[in-house]
Amino acid sequence: DAGVIQSPRHEVTEMGQEVTLRCKPISGHNSLFWYRQTMMRGLELLIYFNNNVPIDDSGMPEDRFSAKMPNASFSTLKIQPSEPRDSAVYFCASSLASGTDTQYFGPGTRLTVL
Amino acid sequence: KQEVTQIPAALSVPEGENLVLNCSFTDSAIYNLQWFRQDPGKGLTSLLLIQSSQREQTSGRLNASLDKSSGRSTLYIAASQPGDSATYLCAVSAGNTPLVFGKGTRLSVIA
Repeated sequence: DAGVIQSPRHEVTEMGQEVTLRCKPISGHNSLFWYRQTMMRGLELLIYFNNNVPIDDSGMPEDRFSAKMPNASFSTLKIQPSEPRDSAVYFCASSLASGTDTQYFGPGTRLTVL
Repeated sequence: KQEVTQIPAALSVPEGENLVLNCSFTDSAIYNLQWFRQDPGKGLTSLLLIQSSQREQTSGRLNASLDKSSGRSTLYIAASQPGDSATYLCAVSAGNTPLVFGKGTRLSVIA
């Protein structure tokens, strides 16, 4: 298996632009997670899905952030409009079940908003 | 609200030394605890998962212990090597809830 796939690996954009991050989970995994990692705040859970349904989006910082999972093999995290404070590494992870199994992380997308 | 703390934040040791990384959590009602490794610029890799009913798990030179009642876990690394240099994160789950992560311990093993 190729593991969790994320694209792009790096994204540099200007403030106010729309940013879309993409994730393909491991085939057969039922749970998908989006995290954000910064030096100051560490690893923060933004949102997670079970069987393509959003379960908890309380970590999404603002209405500028949205996430979708149209099918079991694809998810997007969108930021519109982007701001410099959104600069971080965004990770996608998947697991067989949300809290009981090992999570497998993608390589991350490093986002820089100028 | 569950909080996970890892001490120290950074650690530097000479090659060959045995070392212990610490993790504490505030709510002992956990389902499992996991240790992850993160290399610079990379994602997290799961090292060990301990179920709440277990006391420890071992994988090669790594041994993780869990004391649920005191809210503590340790990751023991034997005979450390420069390749062990990375950030180690601890995370706990209460079951059908997502993992709560600590901020990690950055380990440097000096040759």
